[in-house]
Amino acid sequence: DADVTQTPRNRITKTGKRIMLECSQTKGHDRMYWYRQDPGLGLRLIYYSFDVKDINKGEISDGYSVSRQAQAKFSLSLESAIPNQTALYFCATSAGGGPHTDTQYFGPGTRLTVL
Amino acid sequence: RKEVEQDPGPFNVPEGATVAFNCTYSNSASQSFFWYRQDCRKEPKLLMSVYSSGNEDGRFTAQLNRASQYISLLIRDSKLSDSATYLCVVNGDSSYKLIFGSGTRLLVRP
Repeated sequence: DADVTQTPRNRITKTGKRIMLECSQTKGHDRMYWYRQDPGLGLRLIYYSFDVKDINKGEISDGYSVSRQAQAKFSLSLESAIPNQTALYFCATSAGGGPHTDTQYFGPGTRLTVL
Repeated sequence: RKEVEQDPGPFNVPEGATVAFNCTYSNSASQSFFWYRQDCRKEPKLLMSVYSSGNEDGRFTAQLNRASQYISLLIRDSKLSDSATYLCVVNGDSSYKLIFGSGTRLLVRP
């Protein structure tokens, strides 16, 4: 079984709909992240969480919210989806530690299309 | 200026060739450097960390030049399976915040 899973893998929705993307991990990591990837651009950080009680905004948090339900679960919500939120979304986890050891492990991604 | 810049490619090389990618970064305070590999429509996976003294992992060699703020990745004896996009990744203002380049695409042909 994959260490980091994301559901759904693909989703097509309409403008204005509320969407939730879910991420689960079995790696036992405290740190979890949500990124989006657009063609020609690098991955950009939306939100991150260092533990269940810690939630922080990344560089592009507007229009998104998150919930850390447990150490193993981190959900991303789009309250009112808009077409420019069409992208590939990745969840990632890491164990923390020093800069050279805090490797991030990514889930398989969710392809979201907002019509 | 982008925080991490890479030539998007594609680099189209025959099997067995040696190919090198460079990446430049803007934050002189960055401490961590990585190369990730991403196959089409798949998740990024860590290829290797980049250490100050340079490091090698099989056919892959990574180098860091702090003075010029660039990182390189050398792939020797290219395989068809090396075809992928290679992402240069640098930490930002703290260890957790990774800045991803947009990637360099490599195509290895038979």
